[in-house]
Amino acid sequence: NAGVTQTPKFQVLKTGQSMTLQCAQDMNHEYMSWYRQDPGMGLRLIHYSVGAGITDQGEVPNGYNVSRSTTEDFPLRLLSAAPSQTSVYFCASGRSGANVLTFGAGSRLTVL
Amino acid sequence: GENVEQHPSTLSVQEGDSAVIKCTYSDSASNYFPWYKQELGKGPQLIIDIRSNVGEKKDQRIAVTLNKTAKHFSLHITETQPEDSAVYFCAAPPPAGGTSYGKLTFGQGTILTVHP
Repeated sequence: NAGVTQTPKFQVLKTGQSMTLQCAQDMNHEYMSWYRQDPGMGLRLIHYSVGAGITDQGEVPNGYNVSRSTTEDFPLRLLSAAPSQTSVYFCASGRSGANVLTFGAGSRLTVL
Repeated sequence: GENVEQHPSTLSVQEGDSAVIKCTYSDSASNYFPWYKQELGKGPQLIIDIRSNVGEKKDQRIAVTLNKTAKHFSLHITETQPEDSAVYFCAAPPPAGGTSYGKLTFGQGTILTVHP
């Protein structure tokens, strides 16, 4: 099993550009989520999904969109990137009803 | 929602010493408290967790203690080794009774450095 796979690992954008961070898991987990990690602020939840077709907002959802068309994939879209979105992004998955999360290796995004 | 505070933000110890990281939480109904370890360039990984019906849990050199009255829980690492150097995060789920589905609230993280 590959676990949780994130692409790309690194990305540099200019302000106003759009992009999609990809996340895929092969563990048949119902739950998937996106966190951002910033120095001194820990991991903050952006969006999450409890199953295909179901998404909801986390603590810091503004500027990000998600969709969940399949159990395996949970892409994170930035429609108009801002410097404040410079961060390391982590995708995580877990079994429904469980609190244990499996994280991907992260995607480092820089917005100039 | 849950509020989790983690201290210290950095911790430096000599190899063989013990390290203790403490977290406080706000919601007395919280019932599950995990600790994640993040090595450089990797995603966080669960290393130990504790549920509210026990006060302490051990796994080799690591242990977690829980004080529900004071609403804090701590990670204890004994006989530290250089490979213990990493960022450690505590976390807590949404209040019991709701569907948590892994909606963990994380602490701010502690950078642990173990010097040989």
